[in-house]
Amino acid sequence: EPEVTQTPSHQVTQMGQEVILRCVPISNHLYFYWYRQILGQKVEFLVSFYNNEISEKSEIFDDQFSVERPDGSNFTLKIRSTKLEDSAMYFCASSGHSGLIAYEQYFGPGTRLTVT
Amino acid sequence: ELKVEQNPLFLSMQEGKNYTIYCNYSTTSDRLYWYRQDPGKSLESLFVLLSNGAVKQEGRLMASLDTKARLSTLHITAAVHDLSATYFCAVDLRASGSRLTFGEGTQLTVNP
Repeated sequence: EPEVTQTPSHQVTQMGQEVILRCVPISNHLYFYWYRQILGQKVEFLVSFYNNEISEKSEIFDDQFSVERPDGSNFTLKIRSTKLEDSAMYFCASSGHSGLIAYEQYFGPGTRLTVT
Repeated sequence: ELKVEQNPLFLSMQEGKNYTIYCNYSTTSDRLYWYRQDPGKSLESLFVLLSNGAVKQEGRLMASLDTKARLSTLHITAAVHDLSATYFCAVDLRASGSRLTFGEGTQLTVNP
C-alpha cells in the first residue's frame, strides 16, 4: 500500500541552525502539506502546496519557513534559523486530486525536531 | 476563523463499556475526518465523513456527522484495551488542497 515517507525520523539541531525536513508523498498525489505538533498538543497546519506553489499557509509559516519540491518525488520543509519553540513533530501529508474517492490527507510518520 | 472543539479531552473507561466522543466545529462544513494517534506515532485515518447524515462503522468504532448541528460523534462500543490512543477530529472547508483544522484530541484509556 502506498504511503508517505519522511526523513529523518529524528533531527537534533542547535538554535540558529538551518534544517531541512524531507518527505516523499504518495506518487499520484498532487497536494502536499506540512503540519506540526508540539508535544502533547494538537496538530497545527503550516502550509499546503499544489502545482509547484504554496496554495495556503498559516500564521505560523513565517519568513523562516520555506517549502520546495526539488524534483518529481521529494517535498521539503526548510527552517532557516531554528528557535527553541520550533521543537515539535513535523508531519508531511499528501492528498489525491479532486475526483478521487476522498480528499483524505494521508500522513507520514513524522520527523521529531529537537532544537537545543 | 474555524474552531474545532472536542470533548472530553481525557476519557478513562472500563473494557466492555460504551462511550461517545463529541466534536463541534464553528463554521459550516460537510467534510470531517477522524484520526487515531498512538503515542509518538503518526496519524492514522479512521473515518472520512463527507455529507450530512453520514455514518461509518469500523469494528467497535462508529462515526457520524450532523452538519446542521456542526457536530460529529465517535461512538465506542464494548471498548477493548487496544483502543487506547488519542483520537482527533479534523475539519476542512473546501475541496482538495484545503488545510485541516484539528480538535485538541481526546486521550482515551481503556482499563482492563
